Amino acid sequence: AQSVAQPEDQVNVAEGNPLTVKCTYSVSGNPYLFWYVQYPNRGLQFLLKYITGDNLVKGSYGFEAEFNKSQTSFHLKKPSALVSDSALYFCALRAAGNKLTFGGGTRVLVKP
Amino acid sequence: NAGVTQTPKFRVLKTGQSMTLLCAQDMNHEYMYWYRQDPGMGLRLIHYSVGEGTTAKGEVPDGYNVSRLKKQNFLLGLESAAPSQTSVYFCASSLDRYEQYFGPGTRLTVT
Repeated sequence: AQSVAQPEDQVNVAEGNPLTVKCTYSVSGNPYLFWYVQYPNRGLQFLLKYITGDNLVKGSYGFEAEFNKSQTSFHLKKPSALVSDSALYFCALRAAGNKLTFGGGTRVLVKP
Repeated sequence: NAGVTQTPKFRVLKTGQSMTLLCAQDMNHEYMYWYRQDPGMGLRLIHYSVGEGTTAKGEVPDGYNVSRLKKQNFLLGLESAAPSQTSVYFCASSLDRYEQYFGPGTRLTVT
């Protein structure tokens, strides 16, 4: 069975500071990994994905994520957080088949 | 290009009532999905479709039915609503098996 864990329910960061949102996964086989962001009362928006190749993946809005196979992690990062980055972030995993498994979400609060 | 749209945006049902949620996409995507979102549980897949005329069960299919008669539409039905089905429902579509595009959601309350 595949699973995704986001160990932090909430991350607080000051504007301009680096932002990291953690994600670990468990799967047999090669993982396809995704990050989505959800703003209040909106659907999820795709940020970035790792399919194969470079372990550092760059995505929308200045976000990037690092795939680490030995640590089974896919942490989301942004060098300098903005107040507008405050939202709910979801990590997701697809292994074989069509099923996408989501983590429980991490709420990010960026304070001015 | 509207992307993925969902109808209705809000609905309140009494226990035992039925309803259908409509999802439409104008991106010519093959894959469509229905999820429910509950606090602290992320999104859970209810049913999905890999093409017109096909449907398959996801993680939490009980109490729901779906149909994909046209490529652009994916309907989610609740035959006899229960309070446990109070949730926010999201539809998504994808061109391939990778990134999915989500609708704005339907907030359903069952009393």
